[in-house]
Amino acid sequence: EIVMTQSPATLSVSPGDGATLSCRASQSVSSYLAWYQQKPGQAPRLLIYDASTRATGIPARFSGSGSGTEFTLTISSLQSEDFAVYYCQHYSSWPLTFGGGTKVEI
Amino acid sequence: EVQLLESGGGLVQPGGSLRLSCAASGFTFSTSDMTWVRQAAGKGLEWVSAIRGVDDSTEYVDSVKGRLTISRDKSKNMLYLQMKSLRVEDTAVYYCAKVRGSGWNLDYWGQGTLVTVSS
Repeated sequence: EIVMTQSPATLSVSPGDGATLSCRASQSVSSYLAWYQQKPGQAPRLLIYDASTRATGIPARFSGSGSGTEFTLTISSLQSEDFAVYYCQHYSSWPLTFGGGTKVEI
Repeated sequence: EVQLLESGGGLVQPGGSLRLSCAASGFTFSTSDMTWVRQAAGKGLEWVSAIRGVDDSTEYVDSVKGRLTISRDKSKNMLYLQMKSLRVEDTAVYYCAKVRGSGWNLDYWGQGTLVTVSS
């Protein structure tokens, strides 16, 4: 099983700031990496797939990078609606696994 | 518009059974890969099971093998998760999710249904 580790667990930022979230895989997942956003009481929403491709309707302030074992989600100029928990997920092999999440808070 | 609507959750005793359903619409369900993902209260996401659209072959996380069974009825656009021998640690919100189509990332999710396993 590939273990996904996200850091930091919590990120405190102000609206308008940028944010950088990290995700590390215990072995290479190539570019088979997705990022999701989850707000309280809601289902997750796909932001990024294939490590760097934005999903349909996702604003350009969200960007993903990385390959192999190290990945980054960058949010430029945080908006109020961006405060949420973010998860990475690999789909390189079975089982699919998620990271523990990064909470982006004010 | 893609819609996924789960149902069937509830309170069940340890060792009991439950069947979750997910009604799908707005896309070609018969050829789509689908998954179930769960989330315990205050915890992260855990992938549970997947079913391929091309041949209905299935995958499971080790902790549920032999106890949970994913299936689908293509004529009704329904996805199911049959749960038996339930354990307290199976307590979670269960989401059905559609696979985007190229790689097992999940582009649409239902609102979830809560399963509580408790005596």
